[in-house]
Amino acid sequence: KAGVTQTPRYLIKTRGQQVTLSCSPISGHRSVSWYQQTPGQGLQFLFEYFSETQRNKGNFPGRFSGRQFSNSRSEMNVSTLELGDSALYLCASSLEGAEVLGANVLTFGAGSRLTVL
Amino acid sequence: ELKVEQNPLFLSMQEGKNYTIYCNYSTTSDRLYWYRQDPGKSLESLFVLLSNGAVKQEGRLMASLDTKARLSTLHITAAVHDLSATYFCAVGDSGGGADGLTFGKGTHLIIQP
Repeated sequence: KAGVTQTPRYLIKTRGQQVTLSCSPISGHRSVSWYQQTPGQGLQFLFEYFSETQRNKGNFPGRFSGRQFSNSRSEMNVSTLELGDSALYLCASSLEGAEVLGANVLTFGAGSRLTVL
Repeated sequence: ELKVEQNPLFLSMQEGKNYTIYCNYSTTSDRLYWYRQDPGKSLESLFVLLSNGAVKQEGRLMASLDTKARLSTLHITAAVHDLSATYFCAVGDSGGGADGLTFGKGTHLIIQP
């Protein structure tokens, strides 16, 4: 059974550019969440999508956005990149939405490591 | 705002020893998770704890949850080198809502022969 697949794995951008990251969840999983991991701030929640709808968003500026497609694949976009956006971006999928107690065990992908120069 | 504190943040121990990692959280929650992360790798789910008094064990790792104290522990028994990793606890907001998990800073565990 394939896991959560994230592309690209590594990328380098310069300030002011934008970037799009892709995530393919485990087959059958309809919930996709995104997290940012940095040495200073640790793991921080970005947003969660379920059935193509953003259900919650973390405390990040509007430069961070995402979407989910009908096949549950998700993309996140960061516009006008800043140096502080350098991070490991992790996507996670789960079988059900978070309203099902206990079922929201997240399976994480390998991440996309973004470096902003 | 939900806050999650882990301690210690760094732990170096010898093989064969026992130790406990603590995870305190600030508001009521109905679900707590433990994850493991190896260097350069993603997060691997270890345990899900859903009720007060819940205890789960897998090999040399045992996790427990005290919802009244808002405390979870991850106990390592007779540590082996392969358990060297960073361990995170993560807490979901009460009510099982569609909120993201709040993670602790992680405990960087090094087990030396």
